[in-house]
Amino acid sequence: AQTIHQWPVAEIKAVGSPLSLGCTIKGKSSPNLYWYWQATGGTLQQLFYSITVGQVESVVQLNLSASRPKDDQFILSTEKLLLSHSGFYLCAWSLVGWGGNYAEQFFGPGTRLTVL
Amino acid sequence: GDSVTQTEGQVALSEEDFLTIHCNYSASGYPALFWYVQYPGEGPQFLFRASRDKEKGSSRGFEATYDKGTTSFHLRKASVQESDSAVYYCALGGDASSGSWQLIFGSGTQLTVMP
Repeated sequence: AQTIHQWPVAEIKAVGSPLSLGCTIKGKSSPNLYWYWQATGGTLQQLFYSITVGQVESVVQLNLSASRPKDDQFILSTEKLLLSHSGFYLCAWSLVGWGGNYAEQFFGPGTRLTVL
Repeated sequence: GDSVTQTEGQVALSEEDFLTIHCNYSASGYPALFWYVQYPGEGPQFLFRASRDKEKGSSRGFEATYDKGTTSFHLRKASVQESDSAVYYCALGGDASSGSWQLIFGSGTQLTVMP
């Protein structure tokens, strides 16, 4: 069975400090990977997606970057945090869609980020 | 662009009540439609999906039918339980031809079920 792990569980960081969040998927080969951001009480906004190692595409610009150094690992980072970066960060995976059809995405437990 | 609208921000019911959460979408063609449920402090959980007109998705007693004519995918459950209290999100698969695999989520509906 596939498992998705996110680290850390929670972070409290100062404005202007760097950030690195991680996500690992086990039990699934070459999945599509995604990063989402959710403001407190808000909906989910997709930030990045990756369909293969080393290739990441940005969906929205939030002064964040993402990388996929291994098939099962997805990293979200920034060199300078802003107050607006606070929220809940979620990693997700899916099988590759086919024929223009979307595969459902499965989410990890999330990382709660507070920027002070 | 593509969008999803959930009419109800909050729904309060008693146990064994019938549930309807409205979801309407705006997109061309036949986008994939999804329902997710999110409990406090957790990531969303996939409930089910539908991809074709009149296709019904279902899971855990919840169901929704894809209706191209009314561009809707309303979530229903015949008899809710206190454990169903959570936030429910309708989502749409964006333009697959763009290769972005972007899921567009609605604003969410907080369901509270009282014993």
